[in-house]
Amino acid sequence: GQQVMQIPQYQHVQEGEDFTTYCNSSTTLSNIQWYKQRPGGHPVFLIQLVKSGEVKKQKRLTFQFGEAKKNSSLHITATQTTDVGTYFCAGRGEYGNKLVFGAGTILRVKS
Amino acid sequence: ETGVTQTPRHLVMGMTNKKSLKCEQHLGHNAMYWYKQSAKKPLELMFVYSLEERVENNSVPSRFSPECPNSSHLFLHLHTLQPEDSALYLCASSQDSAGGYYEQYFGPGTRLTVT
Repeated sequence: GQQVMQIPQYQHVQEGEDFTTYCNSSTTLSNIQWYKQRPGGHPVFLIQLVKSGEVKKQKRLTFQFGEAKKNSSLHITATQTTDVGTYFCAGRGEYGNKLVFGAGTILRVKS
Repeated sequence: ETGVTQTPRHLVMGMTNKKSLKCEQHLGHNAMYWYKQSAKKPLELMFVYSLEERVENNSVPSRFSPECPNSSHLFLHLHTLQPEDSALYLCASSQDSAGGYYEQYFGPGTRLTVT
């Protein structure tokens, strides 16, 4: 079945450094979503990408969907302590009928 | 905050108890989901309901029994659980009939501890 893999599993950065998490699917995706879960909280939707090669920005966050629609990335510029949490990607297969979540990347920021 | 509420927020139960988790969404969505989130594991999809009909059951043990009486409410009935069932149980809803095209809105979760 469809699998969505995320790397790295965990990253610890100094405040002000950049951070990137990558999401790879075993099958072509029709869309990909990103969520953020703060420590002790629940996943909160950030954004959805649909088009091949699509790039979207939210302030310091940049989201990219690969040309082949099998991978995606989330890049945070100049991390802040408010960025800590777990970032999940979730994709729907081209011929699938449900959203499959990756395992998430845990981000810790040292101030 | 997100329009999806869950009760109770914390639950401690023995292995012989019977309890129920409740989820309510105030967003007018058509699909509702139960997820299990254990430490250091990915989100595990347990059940999906679309328009009050169960459309997904991911090989979940029968000691977990879902119920969806209407499109706004979802229950998870628990009985004779095992310690390894201790986890955060998240409810979510989405606009579409569970097709994966729309974002999911999560509730705050129920932290379950089985003793």
